[in-house]
Amino acid sequence: GNSVTQMEGPVTLSEEAFLTINCTYTATGYPSLFWYVQYPGEGLQLLLKATKADDKGSNKGFEATYRKETTSFHLEKGSVQVSDSAVYFCARNSGGSNYKLTFGKGTLLTVNP
Amino acid sequence: DGGITQSPKYLFRKEGQNVTLSCEQNLNHDAMYWYRQDPGQGLRLIYYSQIVNDFQKGDIAEGYSVSREKKESFPLTVTSAQKNPTAFYLCASRKGQGVPYEQYFGPGTRLTVT
Repeated sequence: GNSVTQMEGPVTLSEEAFLTINCTYTATGYPSLFWYVQYPGEGLQLLLKATKADDKGSNKGFEATYRKETTSFHLEKGSVQVSDSAVYFCARNSGGSNYKLTFGKGTLLTVNP
Repeated sequence: DGGITQSPKYLFRKEGQNVTLSCEQNLNHDAMYWYRQDPGQGLRLIYYSQIVNDFQKGDIAEGYSVSREKKESFPLTVTSAQKNPTAFYLCASRKGQGVPYEQYFGPGTRLTVT
């Protein structure tokens, strides 16, 4: 079936450090891929997306490239800020006609000043 | 501003009681979803609805029920049959059939059952 695997946290970085959160997905069909962010006590917000191979999604300094050959969609940011502290979820659509999303388990990022 | 509202933000119930969580959207989205979030387990799909008067079970529907009488509203009832109801519940919506597939989320309701 469809699944998404992302690196387990927690990830702790100092401000201005480089961030990578790994995400891989099962290669069923041609899914769209997403990164969502969840700040403490809130719902999820769409951070970025990519709909086909080699697409790069970007937003607020975050980037992720859809790599079909490695079935990956790693999230990166060149210089993190304290305000980036949150839980990050990788997701793919399930395919077919039900338009569901399959989420990874989330990665907690803490950025220290 | 368009968006999804969930109320209340915090809800407390005694064991054995049914409780209904509200989800309303004014985005004119066709599809709506309910997820449950537990620490370390990500999001798990409870129920979803792609059109009014129709809904399907997700991965963990047992002990839950929903209705979709209006496009804007998708209430979730947590019944006494749900063994571990204490969790953070998230409602989401999506525009319609086909792309885009992204879902938009409400702020969530934290349910505590004692």
